[in-house]
Order: sequence, then C-alpha cells, then structure tokens
Amino acid sequence: AQKITQTQPGMFVQEKEAVTLDCTYDTSDPSYGLFWYKQPSSGEMIFLIYQGSYDQQNATEGRYSLNFQKARKSANLVISASQLGDSAMYFCAMRGPYNTDKLIFGTGTRLQVFP
Amino acid sequence: NAGVTQTPKFQVLKTGQSMTLQCAQDMNHEYMSWYRQDPGMGLRLIHYSVGAGITDQGEVPNGYNVSRSTTEDFPLRLLSAAPSQTSVYFCASSYSGTISVRSNEQFFGPGTRLTVL
Repeated sequence: AQKITQTQPGMFVQEKEAVTLDCTYDTSDPSYGLFWYKQPSSGEMIFLIYQGSYDQQNATEGRYSLNFQKARKSANLVISASQLGDSAMYFCAMRGPYNTDKLIFGTGTRLQVFP
Repeated sequence: NAGVTQTPKFQVLKTGQSMTLQCAQDMNHEYMSWYRQDPGMGLRLIHYSVGAGITDQGEVPNGYNVSRSTTEDFPLRLLSAAPSQTSVYFCASSYSGTISVRSNEQFFGPGTRLTVL
C-alpha cells in the first residue's frame, strides 16, 4: 500500500534561513508523483511544487525546491530564505495507485518562522 | 474564473440530520474529489469522480454519498450526521491530462468546517 510519512510534527526556523521539511514515501508503482502543499492558518490548501518519478531534475519553484532522492524514497521540501509568511502547515502528498489523481497525504509539519 | 467553490463555509448539525455540501468548479476539470481533514491525520479521500456520471469510493466513504450529474458540480451528502463526521471538508479538482506539470495540480476549494453535535 502507498504511504507518505512526515516525521517532523513541528519545525522552527529563523527568518532568512533555509529549512528542510522531510517526507518519505512508499510505493511499488514505477510511475508516481509527489506534491507539497502549504496550509496557512486561514485554512486553504496552496500548491507549492510537484515532482514526477521520471523527472530527471529536482523540481524548483522560486524559493521552494524539492530534494528528490528516489533510491531513499524521500522528497524533502527545501525553503530558502524563510519569511514570516512561510509559517504554516506543510503537507507532502503522493498520487494514488497507477499514478491516478487520488492524493495520499502525510500528517503534515507545522513550520514556524521567527524574526 | 472562480476556481473551486464550496458552500457553506461553516455548518453545525445535530446528530442524525442530513445535509449536502456543495462543490463547483469552472475550469472544466474531469476529476473531482472530496477530502476530510482531521487534526493530526492529514487529508483523507472520501469519494472521487473521474467525470460526469462516474464516481467511486476513497479511503473513508462510510456515511457519505456523492453523485456527478454535470462536469461542474460534485455535491457531498451526509446521510445521517454523526459526531465522528466533525471535520473540515475540502473539495478538489484537476485536469487528468499529463501535458504539463501544472496539469498535475489539484485545485482545492476553501473548505467547509462542519460540526456535528
């Protein structure tokens, strides 16, 4: 069965520093996709970044990058130059079996950025 | 382009009552789904649809019913509300093609916070 594990319930980082949020996954499918979503205190789910299992390069979107290590089955999110507005819950998710649109989510990591 | 809309934003029900959570999208997406979010558990899939007239169960379907008569709308029905259904409900939609990275994105609605007393 597919599974997403986020082992850090909470993380603290100082403004302007970089932070890595961990995500490991388990799947037997050769083709899969991994997502990161941000959920601020207002509650909406904001798409950050996507990595396909066959993508040759690690995904990047502005200050967000995905450290994809396929052999270790990890897809860590790196946020560079943290800002106060980055304080939020962050969820790692995987596309469902046979790379369908069904998403399987991890339990999330709460990131707090302090001045 | 309103994206994914959900109504109501908040709802309080008594045990045994029924209600429908509304979800609509104006992006012509084939795929739509409902998730529930409980503290410490992330989001879990309730039901999903790959197109009008086609629905299927997700991870936690019990106590919920769905139908998809149009591409735009995907309502979620609570048949007889129970306190265990107190949660935040999210509707999401996506285009099921694989043309580009962005087409893999699932667009989420703002959520409905439901309390069952």
